[in-house]
Amino acid sequence: QQQVKQSPQSLIVQKGGISIINCAYENTAFDYFPWYQQFPGKGPALLIAIRPDVSEKKEGRFTISFNKSAKQFSLHIMDSQPGDSATYFCAASPGGFKTIFGAGTRLFVKA
Amino acid sequence: SAVISQKPSRDICQRGTSLTIQCQVDSQVTMMFWYRQQPGQSLTLIATANQGSEATYESGFVIDKFPISRPNLTFSTLTVSNMSPEDSSIYLCSILTGWANIQYFGAGTRLSVL
Repeated sequence: QQQVKQSPQSLIVQKGGISIINCAYENTAFDYFPWYQQFPGKGPALLIAIRPDVSEKKEGRFTISFNKSAKQFSLHIMDSQPGDSATYFCAASPGGFKTIFGAGTRLFVKA
Repeated sequence: SAVISQKPSRDICQRGTSLTIQCQVDSQVTMMFWYRQQPGQSLTLIATANQGSEATYESGFVIDKFPISRPNLTFSTLTVSNMSPEDSSIYLCSILTGWANIQYFGAGTRLSVL
């Protein structure tokens, strides 16, 4: 019940395309859903986050879609760029504490 | 955003020795966390370290193996004791801050045990 399931494990997208990463959770106590971006040799950095009272949040080229009834949320990267190539982690926590991370998705954007 | 500095950034250690990792934050924070990230894997929470109290360890992690100190609101250390090759991993310091409870991470300490 504490797991956050993330897919796909890896993703290759053409430059300018849309990258989509999906996550699912079971614990209804989760109320904060962040996405982290990690480049090699760096710690994860918060990219965008959503709370379950909204169904979508957009920041620039990054959009989170949230489906509370299905317990699913996804990250969409529009107009993907080679600089977006990184590992992306979805996560979930109850009130921002004890964050549970998904397995990660390695994104490669081809120039 | 907060600035988190971890030292050392990487180290190669011999089996049976111990390594202490330092985490310094540029602002006072109540909650600090230590994570482990094995190569190509996700992050696993080791423990939560609050100033003035004993660290709280997650299942599978014990104080004798991973003692933690939290002497003040800007600093913490994690020691990896009696190391074995299975301890080779990236160890990350993290803090929770801000009204929105945003979590920030240090760059990590890359540990290799021979």
